[in-house]
Amino acid sequence: QVQLQESGPGLVKPSQTLSLTCTVSGGSISSGSYYWSWIRQPAGKGLEWIGRIYTSGSTNYNPSLKSRVTISVDTSKNQFSLKLSSVTAADTAVYYCARDAVTRRENWFDPWGQGTLVTVSS
Amino acid sequence: SSELTQDPAVSVALGQTVRITCQGDSLRSYYASWYQQKPGQAPVLVIYGKNNRPSGIPDRFSGSSSGNTASLTITGAQAEDEADYYCNSRDSSGNHGVFGTGTKVTVL
Repeated sequence: QVQLQESGPGLVKPSQTLSLTCTVSGGSISSGSYYWSWIRQPAGKGLEWIGRIYTSGSTNYNPSLKSRVTISVDTSKNQFSLKLSSVTAADTAVYYCARDAVTRRENWFDPWGQGTLVTVSS
Repeated sequence: SSELTQDPAVSVALGQTVRITCQGDSLRSYYASWYQQKPGQAPVLVIYGKNNRPSGIPDRFSGSSSGNTASLTITGAQAEDEADYYCNSRDSSGNHGVFGTGTKVTVL
């Protein structure tokens, strides 16, 4: 079964760029008609969708983050990545990656990675 | 509107039925999916589409939709169902995901 694992620095300085990678195992990132999404959750708060990528490279981003977000995919490594620029303390959160199934009227996230905490602090 | 609104908290007696609602204009066009999140854990998909359960999810979980409201019902709630529940769908453009505000379910 497909499993996802986030990796990257747990501490990022303000104004710098947060970079995370999600490694997909147990299946090819290119198989099936799936998108691959990033989602985050500040401590004690709700979930926020950041954006998604299709293996063709097509992307959709949360309008509130669009100016700072870049999601890319490396099919040869079975990975997709998140870059969030000009971070502030408000970007401190647990970041999740997830497989995103999308149809005409539905979408759902399954499975999810375990999540990785990123703290923005000097 | 791109918002999905949920009641912050609900409680249910052990073995009884609880319904969690999610309201938003985009739900008139798109189905919701539902996620259970326990403390310190990643969310888990429990319902997607019209009323589909992933493998391993108990059949006491069910979903429905009417107008601008999607609902998750737990019939015969168990102690292990105590968790936060989030709905998800798309915004009115259909191009962006959006999560509900979340509902904390307490099983008494």
